[in-house]
Amino acid sequence: NAGVTQTPKFQVLKTGQSMTLQCAQDMNHEYMSWYRQDPGMGLRLIHYSVGAGITDQGEVPNGYNVSRSTTEDFPLRLLSAAPSQTSVYFCASNSGQGASVGELFFGEGSRLTVL
Amino acid sequence: AQSVAQPEDQVNVAEGNPLTVKCTYSVSGNPYLFWYVQYPNRGLQFLLKYITGDNLVKGSYGFEAEFNKSQTSFHLKKPSALVSDSALYFCAVRDNSGGYNKLIFGAGTRLAVHP
Repeated sequence: NAGVTQTPKFQVLKTGQSMTLQCAQDMNHEYMSWYRQDPGMGLRLIHYSVGAGITDQGEVPNGYNVSRSTTEDFPLRLLSAAPSQTSVYFCASNSGQGASVGELFFGEGSRLTVL
Repeated sequence: AQSVAQPEDQVNVAEGNPLTVKCTYSVSGNPYLFWYVQYPNRGLQFLLKYITGDNLVKGSYGFEAEFNKSQTSFHLKKPSALVSDSALYFCAVRDNSGGYNKLIFGAGTRLAVHP
């Protein structure tokens, strides 16, 4: 009964380092997305995908890359970390259209600190 | 531009009293509105949504929300608050310029229920 699994839960990076946040879901969901959560700003959409091989930018995509080679996985890559990317990152998924539209399933988050 | 506003950073309520968490929105086209809850160190959980139909929507854990088109509001309510309801609550609206599951979140309101 895993749902949406994010790794790592915590990470500390130095400015300029790169890393990948992993996200996997076992619900066969077509839609997957990455949000970042910052105090007083709610959640902001970074990138999203409506299916394998299809990705698109959200509100704050700069400094991040994504790919969707399988339905299950949607990794988020930080190319050259900056202190402004210190945040809590959430991966979320949904089955797609239909009655469950907008009902996102969230992972437990990955807390990233960039020094 | 589409947006969501949660005018209160924090709401304090005594256990057993009714609670209201406010949300107003701005969206082009028909609004799809959502409430999510976040407990400490966890991901967000879907509570309820309004797409069409009855203006009073019932959701999980005894919560309900009232859609008011003329006031562009979607306030979250519960008749009798529990200490366990203490959490961070997010209102969201679907981004009608994008995909079916692209949500725009408010900044969040912290609900504190005191014994």
